[in-house]
Amino acid sequence: QVNLQESGPGIVKPSQPLSVTCSVTGYSITTSYYYWNWIRKFPGNKLEWMGYISYDGSIYYNPSLKSRISITRDTSKNQFFLQLNTVTTEDTAVYYCARHIYYYVMDAWGQGASVTVSS
Amino acid sequence: DIQMTQSPASLSASPEEIVTITCQASQDIGNWLAWYQQKPGKSPQLLIYSATSLADGIPSRFSGSRSGTQYSLKISRLQVEDTGIYYCLQRYSNPWTFGGGTKLELK
Repeated sequence: QVNLQESGPGIVKPSQPLSVTCSVTGYSITTSYYYWNWIRKFPGNKLEWMGYISYDGSIYYNPSLKSRISITRDTSKNQFFLQLNTVTTEDTAVYYCARHIYYYVMDAWGQGASVTVSS
Repeated sequence: DIQMTQSPASLSASPEEIVTITCQASQDIGNWLAWYQQKPGKSPQLLIYSATSLADGIPSRFSGSRSGTQYSLKISRLQVEDTGIYYCLQRYSNPWTFGGGTKLELK
């Protein structure tokens, strides 16, 4: 059974980078046709899909974030990472990692990492 | 981006009632629509995929339907544990987009 667990800084200062790690157990992130996503939930409950890294390392970013976002992975540790640069208070959110398989939707999620951007 | 307009934004209903939540897509998305439930302090849980298919382990009182570009989630025989926020998600085209959410409260 797959388990995803986010870990993040809790608080980040404006203009600094935000980094969140997703540690995956019970399933290899290189398993064919699986995609590993980042989604965030803002105060007020809006959800935004941020992008993914696939089993073969291909990446898609939401164009609304394209200039600031980076998703990478460490296959030896079965982890993938989110970095969001030059954050503002508008980036305060709960950050979730989740997986989906080709032609399906996110069926396994982490518990979320709350990140507050504040000076 | 495809816009998903979800309604109502909030809803209060009694146990055993039937409620319906809708999402209107800004363009044709076929059956590439899913519904999620998020309970307080938890991550979203998949309820329905491909517009009408029930996810594993989800009670049959949850059902999804489609009429053109309008999608509906019906919850029959509401239970207290159905409290939470419900979201639709389109995965027809990148970037995937969510509806704004419907907060369901039980009276």
